[in-house]
Parts: sequence; C-alpha cells; structure tokens
Amino acid sequence: ETGVTQSPTHLIKTRGQQVTLRCSSQSGHNTVSWYQQALGQGPQFIFQYYREEENGRGNFPPRFSGLQFPNYSSELNVNALELDDSALYLCASSFYPRGGNTIYFGEGSWLTVV
Amino acid sequence: KQEVTQIPAALSVPEGENLVLNCSFTDSAIYNLQWFRQDPGKGLTSLLLIQSSQREQTSGRLNASLDKSSGRSTLYIAASQPGDSATYLCAVRDGQNFVFGPGTRLSVLP
Repeated sequence: ETGVTQSPTHLIKTRGQQVTLRCSSQSGHNTVSWYQQALGQGPQFIFQYYREEENGRGNFPPRFSGLQFPNYSSELNVNALELDDSALYLCASSFYPRGGNTIYFGEGSWLTVV
Repeated sequence: KQEVTQIPAALSVPEGENLVLNCSFTDSAIYNLQWFRQDPGKGLTSLLLIQSSQREQTSGRLNASLDKSSGRSTLYIAASQPGDSATYLCAVRDGQNFVFGPGTRLSVLP
C-alpha cells in the first residue's frame, strides 16, 4: 500500500458534463501529479502541482485543470467531458525537488463518459 | 521529446522460466528509470528504481539494468511464478514528470 488514496474509484458521466477527482498524497510528499491511462496504454502525464501551483503540464487542453491544497491533497477537474476522456486517472505523489526519489501511485479513478 | 517503447508487447511463459523484458528510451538525459507492475484494473506498484548514475538494482527475483548511453533498460525476472502475471511498465524521469512505455503484458502459466 502506497499511502496515496483516490476517490471516487469508479464513476460514469455524460458527455458535456464536468467531473472532479480527488487525491490524498502520501505523508511527507509535497508534489502531486496526475496521469491519464487509456485502456491498453501507458499513463500519460497531465500536470503536476508543487506548493499549490502548477509547475508542469503535459499535452492536455485547458479544460483539464487542478488544485493542490495546503495539506498537499489535490483535485483534478475536467470540464466539457468527451467520450475520449474515458480512462483510468492516476494520482501520484513524490518529494520535490529531489528528482531521484521514487513516485507512488494511487489505485486510480475509473471514469466512463457515455 | 522523450519516447519510451517496450518489447515484447505481450509474453506468455510456463512457470519457472527466467525472462527478460526490454525498455528503450530516446533521450538519455534522464534522472532515473523506474519499473512498475500493474494488475488488471489497479494502480501502479513500484518495483525498482534506478538512478541515472547506477547500472542496476535488485530486489528478490527481480533485477533491472540501465544503460543510459544506449537508451536501454531490462527487467530480469528469475524463476517466474503465476503470481507474476501482470503488466510491467517502465518509466523514465527526464524532468518533472515520468514518461511511460506502453507496457509488457506477462502471463505465467502454471
């Protein structure tokens, strides 16, 4: 068990709706990153938050946004959901700026857009 | 742009065999490389982390090597067991995030 918890574990949304996914980081970790994993593919980096600010972003449109709170927990928000947003969303925590440290993933949130 | 590939995409072996999974990356300027295991419908579990200055790491029946100059890493699994059946992903950290390969789906048959 990694100590990274995500909620909800599964949810179904309709195209055009908005969704919020939540993540609680491992104790002592100050950095949270989010990844999207489509079926049969490796995870793709969405963005990373450090000290409550976004400090890195992958190739995802602005309708993907996030927040990091003072206790290092985080939210991923997706607006105007599209069918292709159906995926496993993984939250990961680590300690920055020690780039050599390992990263710990949660169990993920399965999002289905219909 | 960093790209990570993994060969083979899928592998099926009888129990007890030793096996090698391969990972290649295009940009050798990495901080570290990490191997993960993913069970169906689950999150990622870290198996081994190799820093850029290291050549290999071992944990139990697992051994991972890193050749940064050639952009390659291998994961060696000794005496495979049915419980090793999962998808194995390698990921390189070349900045603030990890870049993942597509994974190798391993089935170990009893």
